[in-house]
Amino acid sequence: GNSVTQMEGPVTLSEEAFLTINCTYTATGYPSLFWYVQYPGEGLQLLLKATKADDKGSNKGFEATYRKETTSFHLEKGSVQVSDSAVYFCALTRTGYSTLTFGKGTMLLVSP
Amino acid sequence: DVKVTQSSRYLVKRTGEKVFLECVQDMDHENMFWYRQDPGLGLRLIYFSYDVKMKEKGDIPEGYSVSREKKERFSLILESASTNQTSMYLCASSKGDRSFEKLFFGSGTQLSVL
Repeated sequence: GNSVTQMEGPVTLSEEAFLTINCTYTATGYPSLFWYVQYPGEGLQLLLKATKADDKGSNKGFEATYRKETTSFHLEKGSVQVSDSAVYFCALTRTGYSTLTFGKGTMLLVSP
Repeated sequence: DVKVTQSSRYLVKRTGEKVFLECVQDMDHENMFWYRQDPGLGLRLIYFSYDVKMKEKGDIPEGYSVSREKKERFSLILESASTNQTSMYLCASSKGDRSFEKLFFGSGTQLSVL
């Protein structure tokens, strides 16, 4: 079945640094790809999505491009803020079910 | 504002107890899901439901059951709680059409089984 591998954390950055969180996937067919974010004490919320190859999802300064040739969907942000500290989950649509398969999550810690 | 509400934020139970985790959504969503979240393992799907009175097993259904008597409510039941069921439990919902891909999550219930 479909699966997701994302880099282990924590990723520790200073404010205004550039962020990359790597995500690669294994899938049959053409899944949609997602990044969800979980702020401390909260549930997950959708950050961005891409539904086909070469699509770029973007939101709140974060971007990710659906790369079919490298089966990747890396999350990037040019200048992180302390308020971006959270756990980030890469996900894709799950074969045969109307739900998603999630990666293990990557914690991001941003210091002032 | 749309909402998925889980009845308890923290719960402490004894081994062998029957435990009920409740989830209610106010968005008239067809699909509802229970995940558990553990450090280093991410989110794993326990059970889900596409409609009232129906249920499907996810990846790790052993030791759990569910109930969906009304569209807005989806309950997770631990028949006889064990220490390895200590975890954060997340409920989610989504619409029944193609937009199922956007999941709305509750804030979670941190369950400790002693």
